[in-house]
Amino acid sequence: DAGVIQSPRHEVTEMGQEVTLRCKPISGHDYLFWYRQTMMRGLELLIYFNNNVPIDDSGMPEDRFSAKMPNASFSTLKIQPSEPRDSAVYFCASSFLVREKLFFGSGTQLSVL
Amino acid sequence: QKEVEQNSGPLSVPEGAIASLNCTYSDRGSQSFFWYRQYSGKSPELIMSIYSNGDKEDGRFTAQLNKASQYVSLLIRDSQPSDSATYLCAVDTDKLIFGTGTRLQVFP
Repeated sequence: DAGVIQSPRHEVTEMGQEVTLRCKPISGHDYLFWYRQTMMRGLELLIYFNNNVPIDDSGMPEDRFSAKMPNASFSTLKIQPSEPRDSAVYFCASSFLVREKLFFGSGTQLSVL
Repeated sequence: QKEVEQNSGPLSVPEGAIASLNCTYSDRGSQSFFWYRQYSGKSPELIMSIYSNGDKEDGRFTAQLNKASQYVSLLIRDSQPSDSATYLCAVDTDKLIFGTGTRLQVFP
């Protein structure tokens, strides 16, 4: 298996633009997580899905952020409009059980100018 | 109070020494505890999990858990320069919460 695949690896955009991050989880994993990592706040859970259904989105910072999982092999995290404070590394991770080993993708480095 | 706390470091140890990394957590109901390693510019990877009080050994790594003190630690024996990375403590409450990590530097 190729592991969790994220795209793009790097995204540079201007304030106010829409940003869409993409993730393909490991086949057979029924949980998918979106995390954001910054130096100040560390790794923060934004939202997670079980069998394509959002279970906990309490970490989504505000209405500008939205996430979807239309099928078992694809998820998106969208920021509209983007702001400079959204600059961070965004990781997608998947697992077979919530409390077990998370497999992380390579991350998307987002820079909002 | 943060849910999972770690000293940010850096923790510097000479090659061959024991590195001791510490983590405290606030939720007494937590049952599962994990240590992830993250190399600079890379994604986190799981290296240890522990669920009950006491020690769990895996090669050069030992995880220690004390639920009464709400404390979990990771010992790395015979530290190598390749162990230089950030170590993230993660605690399962109703979801996996990560600490901000401790940066470990192992010098030759």
